[in-house]
Amino acid sequence: QPVLTQSSSASASLGSSVKLTCTLSSGHSEYSIAWQRQQPGKAPRHVMRIESTGRYYRGSGIPDRFSGSTSGADRYLTISNVQSEDEADYYCETWDRKSLHVIFGGGTKVTVL
Amino acid sequence: QVQLVESGGGVVQPGASLRLSCAASGFTFGYYAVHWVRQAPGKGLEWLGLASHDGANKHYADSVRGRFTISRDNSKNTLYLHMDSLRPEDTAVYYCARNSDYVNDYWGQGTLVIVSA
Repeated sequence: QPVLTQSSSASASLGSSVKLTCTLSSGHSEYSIAWQRQQPGKAPRHVMRIESTGRYYRGSGIPDRFSGSTSGADRYLTISNVQSEDEADYYCETWDRKSLHVIFGGGTKVTVL
Repeated sequence: QVQLVESGGGVVQPGASLRLSCAASGFTFGYYAVHWVRQAPGKGLEWLGLASHDGANKHYADSVRGRFTISRDNSKNTLYLHMDSLRPEDTAVYYCARNSDYVNDYWGQGTLVIVSA
């Protein structure tokens, strides 16, 4: 089944941009993934889904400061004009069509400077 | 608006059983698969399992298969997670999430389960 790899941390200054990466394991580069955001002490919230084609679909109420892209096995979440509320853990997830399981990446902690 | 509200968490002793509930509103519950996900203190998200829209199909993570059972009652718009033989490592916040097109698109606020003697 696929493995999702994320860097453990990232930082960005207020008003700047930050790009997070989720990498699919070998043989799974065609998979779609979803990004979930978890602010401190809160439940996860769906941010967007990204397909292997690069098309992305933002979740309900997610501002257009959030965008997605793809390059090979990498799925990116770019946050523009970073705000203080963007300080959170970001998880990518995917659905393994063979095992019928959901797989999560280890999460990236974003710090807003 | 879409809402999922978990309940039933608490402090239990090792070896005990517990049933969590997830009450759904704001959408046609019977149209969607629903998943359980947990998060141990200071750790990442761990998928536990799912029930298909009609409850006919269920799938579990290897870590809980045989101890945890997912069920749903579409007449009550409620999903359940029955947990047996609880261990200290089951201590976590438990979330339910609606799944649409293979994406968990709405999440509940979570319920805390503590397994301790």
